[in-house]
Amino acid sequence: DQQVKQNSPSLSVQEGRISILNCDYTNSMFDYFLWYKKYPAEGPTFLISISSIKDKNEDGRFTVFLNKSAKHLSLHIVPSQPGDSAVYFCAASPNTGNQFYFGTGTSLTVIP
Amino acid sequence: DAGITQSPRHKVTETGTPVTLRCHQTENHRYMYWYRQDPGHGLRLIHYSYGVKDTDKGEVSDGYSVSRSKTEDFLLTLESATSSQTSVYFCAISDFRGMATEAFFGQGTRLTVV
Repeated sequence: DQQVKQNSPSLSVQEGRISILNCDYTNSMFDYFLWYKKYPAEGPTFLISISSIKDKNEDGRFTVFLNKSAKHLSLHIVPSQPGDSAVYFCAASPNTGNQFYFGTGTSLTVIP
Repeated sequence: DAGITQSPRHKVTETGTPVTLRCHQTENHRYMYWYRQDPGHGLRLIHYSYGVKDTDKGEVSDGYSVSRSKTEDFLLTLESATSSQTSVYFCAISDFRGMATEAFFGQGTRLTVV
């Protein structure tokens, strides 16, 4: 059973606007959350992470929000750029820290 | 970029043959992982290792075995390849030492079983 879910397989956004990618999880033992970006024929690359003791983490154009009570996190990209077009994976790690569970991915297309 | 090399990058093999994929790291990270990526399933953990000769199963371990005889190398073996094992395989490494940290991925191996 999928413990990390990304319910939107795809998202299209105009260049310069905000992209919001969503992720839900079911396991309350998860306490570290990550976003990865993946281009075709390449491995996933780490983008940003957040610990369960925080509700927000920013890194440049990328911000991750965590709502523990709802078991929901989101990635905001603003402003969106054509180079952001990729598949984005949400991942979660339990407090043992030694495994990562991934969602099914959201394909983001930023339209110039 | 993290020093992770997967080999081969592409392989076509016949049903029933054994196949071994190799992951080599130069980062001296303790944890190593094998994932497979399939449409509609995202990335699923096959096996992982937390040290030399220390391995454990992941979500989709049936039909796969692993070995880690050196810190830098983690091998994934398909004992008898089946068409359902056609996939893209990714190796990842993590330097988890008690505090959560990210994993870094290799470039992937595209395996086709015919």
